[in-house]
Amino acid sequence: QKEVEQDPGPLSVPEGAIVSLNCTYSNSAFQYFMWYRQYSRKGPELLMYTYSSGNKEDGRFTAQVDKSSKYISLFIRDSQPSDSATYLCAMSVGDDKIIFGKGTRLHILP
Amino acid sequence: DVKVTQSSRYLVKRTGEKVFLECVQDMDHENMFWYRQDPGLGLRLIYFSYDVKMKEKGDIPEGYSVSREKKERFSLILESASTNQTSMYLCASSLAKTGANVLTFGAGSRLTVL
Repeated sequence: QKEVEQDPGPLSVPEGAIVSLNCTYSNSAFQYFMWYRQYSRKGPELLMYTYSSGNKEDGRFTAQVDKSSKYISLFIRDSQPSDSATYLCAMSVGDDKIIFGKGTRLHILP
Repeated sequence: DVKVTQSSRYLVKRTGEKVFLECVQDMDHENMFWYRQDPGLGLRLIYFSYDVKMKEKGDIPEGYSVSREKKERFSLILESASTNQTSMYLCASSLAKTGANVLTFGAGSRLTVL
């Protein structure tokens, strides 16, 4: 079983829809969970960062961690064409090495 | 507002050439990393450094070396480039001892080896 699993997509949704992106993981020791957004031909940029379980909200973005199910989610409300990008989940145990998912390509259709 | 700068965005090299990829960060971060990113394989860690003049191997160090002579600069060296090193190379940095290794990435260097 891979340490972090993420559906590569592509995921195409109409503008204004709610988007749900997900990752599953196997290492129950992970404590820090991150979402990075990567536009085409650019480097990833940190979007959301959460510690342990629970929800975190930042504008149209909500990150959710369910440690009992080893499942994390990123929700995007009122999606915009500018949200079209690849979204990478990432997680770590303390300040140890970060493990990345392979990314989900998202297309928001105008 | 540039924080991690990779000096070469696009390079084309010949097989066997020596290649230098330079990365500079202006955030006074202790930790610096080199990844490569390939379709279907995601991000793979090549080398990292937690301090000046120190380096640690990542998951795929073969065919690469690194140099960190100054805190802000971390160089990736391909001693003899091969076609299977054609890839997007990403440099990143992070502040030590924050409880999590939150990375700031550069824009990437796309290397093509012919």
